[in-house]
Amino acid sequence: SQQGEEDPQALSIQEGENATMNCSYKTSINNLQWYRQNSGRGLVHLILIRSNEREKHSGRLRVTLDTSKKSSSLLITASRAADTASYFCATTDTGRRALTFGSGTRLQVQP
Amino acid sequence: DGGITQSPKYLFRKEGQNVTLSCEQNLNHDAMYWYRQDPGQGLRLIYYSQIVNDFQKGDIAEGYSVSREKKESFPLTVTSAQKNPTAFYLCASSTQGAANEKLFFGSGTQLSVL
Repeated sequence: SQQGEEDPQALSIQEGENATMNCSYKTSINNLQWYRQNSGRGLVHLILIRSNEREKHSGRLRVTLDTSKKSSSLLITASRAADTASYFCATTDTGRRALTFGSGTRLQVQP
Repeated sequence: DGGITQSPKYLFRKEGQNVTLSCEQNLNHDAMYWYRQDPGQGLRLIYYSQIVNDFQKGDIAEGYSVSREKKESFPLTVTSAQKNPTAFYLCASSTQGAANEKLFFGSGTQLSVL
């Protein structure tokens, strides 16, 4: 089952612009995580936000979580060509101890 | 270097054949996971293991089998019962169950059918 669904599916921006990706989920969660995947590679963890947190920052990344709307957003500021990748949200619900991933947003940053 | 090693990077399966994908980690993690990724899609959970000699089915376990005889190793066998095995397979690990832990991923194995 796909717990998280990202929006948009694809995003193309110019270098220096900000990129915003959204994730919606269906059930109560313990935490929500964001991962990045370069083409043909494994995923790399970016940030984890717990269900009792509303916002978290890490470098150029800003993540928000709204549990009342069951949604999260990932903002990448001042994007670079090297940010080109797919970005996935992932959640754990109270029912099992494994992450469920969304379908991802493919980000293309044009130099 | 600590990390997760998946092998081989590319694997080809003939019809009716079982194939085994290797996943080894030297991070001393208790939990390990197998995910399948189809082109342009997200990851779907096949199997996961919280501890040696124990594992649980994920969302798409049919046609797959695993073993966890050692903490470091979690091999995945794609059996002949899996009729559509072509996909990118990703192995991951975490210190404990993923409730509040980030996952560390291997670089993946691309499985194709001849």
